Amino acid sequence: AQKITQTQPGMFVQEKEAVTLDCTYDTSDQSYGLFWYKQPSSGEMIFLIYQGSYDEQNATEGRYSLNFQKARKSANLVISASQLGDSAMYFCAMREGRGGSNYKLTFGKGTLLTVNP
Amino acid sequence: NAGVMQNPRHLVRRRGQEARLRCSPMKGHSHVYWYRQLPEEGLKFMVYLQKENIIDESGMPKERFSAEFPKEGPSILRIQQVVRGDSAAYFCASSPLPDSYEQYFGPGTRLTVT
Repeated sequence: AQKITQTQPGMFVQEKEAVTLDCTYDTSDQSYGLFWYKQPSSGEMIFLIYQGSYDEQNATEGRYSLNFQKARKSANLVISASQLGDSAMYFCAMREGRGGSNYKLTFGKGTLLTVNP
Repeated sequence: NAGVMQNPRHLVRRRGQEARLRCSPMKGHSHVYWYRQLPEEGLKFMVYLQKENIIDESGMPKERFSAEFPKEGPSILRIQQVVRGDSAAYFCASSPLPDSYEQYFGPGTRLTVT
């Protein structure tokens, strides 16, 4: 089974509107972390936001927030007030386990977001 | 404070040649991770190294691929006798500790095998 599933290959949003990118995950570990990365057309990987499995509050970073629903194993990224520069590939990723063993990031296949003017 | 450096950014090799990809981690980081991104895919873990040690190479193909992180100098990912299927983006990341919540990624090396 896929550990990270991103069901939306592509999404479109109008400039200034909010958009939600879906991510579901599969793990039997109690301790894990969830990440979102942005990959613009230039190719670099830009860290956006992190949510720990024990964090009770949803993570927020500026216009990015993570809608964490632990029971449903979902970690959706919400981008508010979309900008043209938000057009990019977005990857959800997970690290499982505690301590020195939890260094591997497992990535989903990504969602290509296009922001229309 | 320079970020993770990778070079070259683009590399073209003919089938059968060797490819050497370099990664200089962020200053103060002694943990390096290599990931591969095939076309239309997410990144996949290849190998985790500390200085002079390979900690986990469970994601490395069994043949032709090797990695090192010497005491001095950058980490090197080497691919011998490249084939077309090796064409991908190879990303290096570094962290100050193995369980740091964030890994800092380099810009990637795009390998094209002709």
